[in-house]
Amino acid sequence: DADVTQTPRNRITKTGKRIMLECSQTKGHDRMYWYRQDPGLGLRLIYYSFDVKDINKGEISDGYSVSRQAQAKFSLSLESAIPNQTALYFCATSDQQGSSTDTQYFGPGTRLTVL
Amino acid sequence: AQSVAQPEDQVNVAEGNPLTVKCTYSVSGNPYLFWYVQYPNRGLQFLLKYITGDNLVKGSYGFEAEFNKSQTSFHLKKPSALVSDSALYFCAFTSGGSYIPTFGRGTSLIVHP
Repeated sequence: DADVTQTPRNRITKTGKRIMLECSQTKGHDRMYWYRQDPGLGLRLIYYSFDVKDINKGEISDGYSVSRQAQAKFSLSLESAIPNQTALYFCATSDQQGSSTDTQYFGPGTRLTVL
Repeated sequence: AQSVAQPEDQVNVAEGNPLTVKCTYSVSGNPYLFWYVQYPNRGLQFLLKYITGDNLVKGSYGFEAEFNKSQTSFHLKKPSALVSDSALYFCAFTSGGSYIPTFGRGTSLIVHP
C-alpha cells in the first residue's frame, strides 16, 4: 500500500556485507513491525516497535537490528548478511487502538538476495 | 503452543465455482482471527476479521469466513471464484493480551479460467 513504503524493493548483496532496509509510513500509526517471509513458512516476526522509544525482539531477531528514527520510520539492518537471510521482508503498521483486534497494514516488501 | 494451521498448501478451483480456504486454530481463551491476502509482488492486505458476535464475517472482494468454535475453524469462502482471486492467503490470530498476530503458513489459491 502507498501508505507504507519500503526501500529498496529488490536488493542483491554479498555475504558479509552490511545492509539496511528502510520503511516509512504516512498512516500516523505508532506501532511498526518487520517480518520475514519464506516459502512454506509464512510470516515470522523479526522486531517490533510500539513507539519511538520502544523496541522489542520478535521470533527470529538473531542477525538483525532495527532503528526507529521517528514515528514514521523504522529501519531493519543486517550487520553481516548471510545466504540464509535471503527472503522477502515486509514492514507493517497497526491501528491506533492498540488492542488484540488491530488490523495490520503492510508495505510492498523488499526482496533480498544474499550471495 | 497456540497456533493456526492452514492444511492445504494449494487450492485449485475453476472460475465461477465456490471456493474454500481452510484454517483451524489452537488458541486458549477467545481467539481473534484474521484473513489476509497477498497478490503477486504485493504486500499483504487485510480481508476480514472475527472479534466476537455473529459467526459469519463478511469482508472485502466478496469474501466471507465462518467462525466455528466447536470445530475450531475459520474457513474463508467465496460463492463464485474469479481468476483475479488467485493469490496467497494467510490466516492469523491474536488472543487477549497479545497485540501481534501469528500467521499461518499460507495457502496458494489458483483459480483456473
